[in-house]
Amino acid sequence: GAVVSQHPSRVICKSGTSVKIECRSLDFQATTMFWYRQFPKQSLMLMATSNEGSKATYEQGVEKDKFLINHASLTLSTLTVTSAHPEDSSFYICSARGREGPSVEETQYFGPGTRLLVL
Amino acid sequence: GQNIDQPTEMTATEGAIVQINCTYQTSGFNGLFWYQQHAGEAPTFLSYNVLDGLEEKGRFSSFLSRSKGYSYLLLKELQMKDSASYLCAVTLGGANNLFFGTGTRLTVIP
Repeated sequence: GAVVSQHPSRVICKSGTSVKIECRSLDFQATTMFWYRQFPKQSLMLMATSNEGSKATYEQGVEKDKFLINHASLTLSTLTVTSAHPEDSSFYICSARGREGPSVEETQYFGPGTRLLVL
Repeated sequence: GQNIDQPTEMTATEGAIVQINCTYQTSGFNGLFWYQQHAGEAPTFLSYNVLDGLEEKGRFSSFLSRSKGYSYLLLKELQMKDSASYLCAVTLGGANNLFFGTGTRLTVIP
């Protein structure tokens, strides 16, 4: 099956700093990548959808100037949390979708997630 | 907005059967997914339903009723490793974005 990686897996930073999270599709070209946020004991909340070479589409309530998304190539998308604050501490998960595959289960492949702690 | 509801927590005994329900009220509907997520890990795909009826896959089965906006995931012969969160997610017409339900945390006890 397709593999999606995320880096780093865990990051601790000081309040006010920026953090960049990378999401890579390792063995397929991801035409679309999705970024989710998950707070403890809660479900995944879609933050934004990005298509290669175009601007990301943000969900309602997500600040696009705070969460910068870049999808510069078909295998890499980055999420930058700018001026991070303790309330941004969360589990960030990306997923990637390639061109239509042979089975519907290939809708999205999830990365392993990045746990962000802002002190 | 989209409403996708699941029970928050469930407990079941090893070897038993458990049914996790999901109800949805969404603007448009394409299909419904079930994912399993262990703490601190990414979700893994379990099943997909687009037509009414039951889809069976080993110990796991998933049911969908489009007219009722209702689905359930049935887990048989529960094992301790089945302790996890179970997320239902829907895709809406015209797009393949996943909208997740609240998730159900299942605890399997001996």
